[in-house]
Order: sequence, then structure tokens, then C-alpha cells
Amino acid sequence: DIQMTQSPSSLSASVGDRVTIACRTSQSISNYLNWYQQKPGKVPELLIYAASNLQSGVPSRFSGRGSGTDFTLTISSLQPEDFATYYCQESYTTFTFGQGTRLDIK
Amino acid sequence: QVQLQESGPGLVKPSETLSLTCTVSGGSMNTYFWNWIRQPPGKGLEWIGYIYYTGSTKSNPSLESRVTISEDTSKNQFSLRLNSVTAADTAVYYCARARTPFSNYYGLDVWGQGTTVTVSS
Repeated sequence: DIQMTQSPSSLSASVGDRVTIACRTSQSISNYLNWYQQKPGKVPELLIYAASNLQSGVPSRFSGRGSGTDFTLTISSLQPEDFATYYCQESYTTFTFGQGTRLDIK
Repeated sequence: QVQLQESGPGLVKPSETLSLTCTVSGGSMNTYFWNWIRQPPGKGLEWIGYIYYTGSTKSNPSLESRVTISEDTSKNQFSLRLNSVTAADTAVYYCARARTPFSNYYGLDVWGQGTTVTVSS
């Protein structure tokens, strides 16, 4: 099974900050990596698919990079509505999710 | 646009079978993969499995022996059965649609609101 490791597991930041979340997989998954945002009590929302493609309707301050085993999600300038938990998910084999990164206000 | 709605019992006894249905409205099940995901209280997301509109399925290896996913495309529904449940199966269960027709590679873009299932006697 592919192991997913997200880092950091939690992060405090301020509005306007640039934030990067990392996701590493235990074996190469090409670009089959997706990112989701989940706010408390809400349904997960797809942000990025295939490592770097912005889902329709998602603000352009979100971006994704990477291939193989190392991936990143970057928020270029944090907005108040971005404070949430972020998950990566591999879609190469068993659609495993990372453990999540909680982003909260400093 | 397509909407999904989970339904089923909110309480299941240990060792019994959890059964949920996801109803698809506003579109057809054709050409898409349909997924089940769960989230235990205060924890992360776990992919359970999918069914393709053709009827083919795939499940998480850690749950495979207990999971059955089926569909009734005439009713625009797909279902999850998880047998021999324990307290560890207590979670919010979501159904979700793959973003891209004919592929489950490019994320899940339409989700149901989720249904809470508690396993307890």
C-alpha cells in the first residue's frame, strides 16, 4: 500500500501569509495526486487535481506542484476563509488520503 | 447540477451490517465512478471503495473482506454494505462522484452531505 505523509500536521499563519503544505508518497504516483479543503462540520471540497490543475471555481491563490513522490499545495496569500484542514489524496492505486494538515489563525 | 444524498440507519449494533444508499439527482450515473469515503469523529478521511457505472468495483484493501458496493442505475442509486461492524466503524459516511467521466484519477468533485453512523449496542 502507498503511504501518505503530509507535513506539517498543523500550521498557524496570518491573513496575507504565503503557506505551503507538503505531501510525500512512499512510492511514485506520477501526478495522480489531489488536494481537498475541509472546513469544520463541512464536506471536503476538491481544490487541485492531477497535482497541479485548479478545480473550477477555486481561487487562483491556490496552486499545486509536484510529481513522483513529492507534492506541495501553496496558498499565495491567505484569506480568512482559507483556515481549514487540507488533505492530499493519491489516485494511483487505492485512493489513500493523507492524514491532513490543520491550518489555523495565528 | 448533480447532487448526492446518503441515507440509511444512524445506529448499527456491533457485529451487524451497515447499509447505506446514495441517491444521485440532477444527472445520470453513466460514465462515472461513484465512491464511498468515511471520516471517524475528529479524524481524517478514509476511502472505502468505488463502483463504476458498468458495475465493476474496487475497495480499500483494509476493508475489502467486509465491503460490498452495488448499484441500481435504474433508480440512480448506489449502495454500501459493511458487515461485522465494530465501534471503529463509527464515522460520517460520504458518497462522492469522480470528477472526470471514465476515470477515477482526477479527484472527487461532487459529495453528499454525509451521514453519521454510530456502532453501538
